[in-house]
Amino acid sequence: AQKITQTQPGMFVQEKEAVTLDCTYDTSDPSYGLFWYKQPSSGEMIFLIYQGSYDQQNATEGRYSLNFQKARKSANLVISASQLGDSAMYFCAMREGYNFNKFYFGSGTKLNVKP
Amino acid sequence: DSGVTQTPKHLITATGQRVTLRCSPRSGDLSVYWYQQSLDQGLQFLIHYYNGEERAKGNILERFSAQQFPDLHSELNLSSLELGDSALYFCASSVEEGLTDTQYFGPGTRLTVL
Repeated sequence: AQKITQTQPGMFVQEKEAVTLDCTYDTSDPSYGLFWYKQPSSGEMIFLIYQGSYDQQNATEGRYSLNFQKARKSANLVISASQLGDSAMYFCAMREGYNFNKFYFGSGTKLNVKP
Repeated sequence: DSGVTQTPKHLITATGQRVTLRCSPRSGDLSVYWYQQSLDQGLQFLIHYYNGEERAKGNILERFSAQQFPDLHSELNLSSLELGDSALYFCASSVEEGLTDTQYFGPGTRLTVL
C-alpha cells in the first residue's frame, strides 16, 4: 500500500482565494511526522510545514495551515490568500517513529494560481 | 536558500560512465539524505548518513554508492550509468536523525545520461 497518497495531480485556484491540497497517509505506527514541501519550477524543494502525530493543534506557518484529521489519516495543506508565486508542485511526506530514517513522499499536486 | 549546497548543478554524461555528486549540508547538520526524482518514479529515498555512518538504505541500486566524510559533506557515486538514471538528485540535511527533524533540501543536481 502507498504510504502517502495525493489524489489531485493538478489544481487551479484564483489569486487571493484559499485552496486545499489533499494528502492521506497509511501507517500503523502511533508515532509519525507529516511534512509538506513546495517545489517551484526552478526545482528546489522548500519545506513548508510540519505536523506531529501527537500534536494537539493543527500546525500553522503564515499562510499555510495543516488540516490534520488523525482518525481519517489525512493531513491536508491549506493555503490562504493564494499568490501567483504559490504556483508549484506540492509534496506531502511522512516519516514513522519505528523507522524514522526513511522519508516517504507522495506523487505531488501541481497547483496553478490564476491572476 | 536552504543552506545545503550541491555540485554540480547540471551533469551530462554517456551511458557506462561514472559520476560523483557532491553535497555540503547546512552548518551544524549531522544527517545527510540522498533522493532521486524522476518523472516516472517520483521522489525516491536512496540513502541516509548520520555523522559519517550509514543509517538506512532505500531504493538504491548496487551501481550507486555514497559516503559521508569527517567534515560531514557527502558524495553520491553513480557508476555504469544507464539512460534510466537520468533524474534530479537531491541531497537533504537535518540537525539530527529524529522523527521530528525537518530535512532541508539542496538545489539538486540534474543528471542527463545520453
